[in-house]
Amino acid sequence: EVQLVESGGGLEQPGGSLRLSCAASGFSFSTYAMSWVRQAPGKGLEWVSGISGSGGSIYYADSVKGRFTISRDNSKDTLHLQMNSLRVEDTAVYYCAKMSGSYYGEIDYWGRGTLVTGSS
Amino acid sequence: DIQMTQSPSSLSASVGDRVTISCRASQVIGNYLAWYQQKPGKVPKLLIYAASTLQSGVPSRFIGSGSGTDFTLTISSLQPEDVATYYCQKCNGAPFTFGPGTKVDIK
Repeated sequence: EVQLVESGGGLEQPGGSLRLSCAASGFSFSTYAMSWVRQAPGKGLEWVSGISGSGGSIYYADSVKGRFTISRDNSKDTLHLQMNSLRVEDTAVYYCAKMSGSYYGEIDYWGRGTLVTGSS
Repeated sequence: DIQMTQSPSSLSASVGDRVTISCRASQVIGNYLAWYQQKPGKVPKLLIYAASTLQSGVPSRFIGSGSGTDFTLTISSLQPEDVATYYCQKCNGAPFTFGPGTKVDIK
């Protein structure tokens, strides 16, 4: 059974940093691309960042480029999102998501999400 | 970047009605289009991928169609458990943009 479990969310002041992690199990982690998707309170889904199965290709939404860094450790089946220079508008539930291919594709599994609040 | 739009933004229909949601890409994306269902307070769920392929376990009343820039999600007979927000997403390359969503309620 595929499981994605996020951790690391919390309350952080604007300008601060947080590091999200996602522990994956139940599938060959290094084979599949992974993404982070966020959802602000009462709003729609926003794709934030993605990384290929090997980690060699990395992508960001313009809204987080230069502030967030995605990475993966295929030896530990773990995905990370380093969030720097946090803004109030980064407040959202952040979902870890497995994609169906090595570089792209639909999201076939989602974690339960972790809440990030950027507020003083 | 390719933009995704959806219409309508919300709709209300009766149980048993046929419901249609549209999704449009600002550039051709082939059939690299997925549909998700998100019930209130729940995690999104994949319904359809490759524009028209039903994800395993999804009821056959959900039908996806289209290619290129124009796509449609049809619920052939609306059920009470279909109350949710539906999102389309382009899947052919980054950014993997979602549409703004369509909220479906029961009349």
